[in-house]
Amino acid sequence: SQQGEEDPQALSIQEGENATMNCSYKTSINNLQWYRQNSGRGLVHLILIRSNEREKHSGRLRVTLDTSKKSSSLLITASRAADTASYFCATANNAGNMLTFGGGTRLMVKP
Amino acid sequence: KAGVTQTPRYLIKTRGQQVTLSCSPISGHRSVSWYQQTPGQGLQFLFEYFSETQRNKGNFPGRFSGRQFSNSRSEMNVSTLELGDSALYLCASSSPRGLHSQETQYFGPGTRLLVL
Repeated sequence: SQQGEEDPQALSIQEGENATMNCSYKTSINNLQWYRQNSGRGLVHLILIRSNEREKHSGRLRVTLDTSKKSSSLLITASRAADTASYFCATANNAGNMLTFGGGTRLMVKP
Repeated sequence: KAGVTQTPRYLIKTRGQQVTLSCSPISGHRSVSWYQQTPGQGLQFLFEYFSETQRNKGNFPGRFSGRQFSNSRSEMNVSTLELGDSALYLCASSSPRGLHSQETQYFGPGTRLLVL
């Protein structure tokens, strides 16, 4: 079963606009990770935020984590057509590396 | 460093057959995890191996099994294939600092299995 729910399921924006995706989860976590997937290929790791962190930046990416609300958001600023992909959040909540994924957000960036 | 590699990339099998998929982790990574991705169920965790031991197991039937070798390479096996096993199987490796730590997982390109 999936731990997380992502919102929206699909998002269509123009190049240059910002894209925000949200993720909610159900149980306590050690960290939360965001991944990108292009057309059914492998997952590309974007960013990892630990449970004791509230915000993290990486290039055009900004991730926030609110453990009290069990939610996270991924912001992509100044989007590009190449950002078109599916984005997944994944949580890790035990001693191993078992990731529980959300259903994903399909982002389309129109040139 | 070379990334995670998976072989084969594509596979077609018939119901009742068995299949073995292979994963070579990034050099130095000792943890290998397997995931199944289908349109209906999304991404689901199969199992994780760390230093040749299965550390975690997802909610899949016993037809799904795996192992890890001393060089950290991993294989997963699916026996008595069913139509519903058609999926993208993804392998991920990571380099946890210790048994109880978690680090970024790096995914391979996947093996796309079609069961007819």
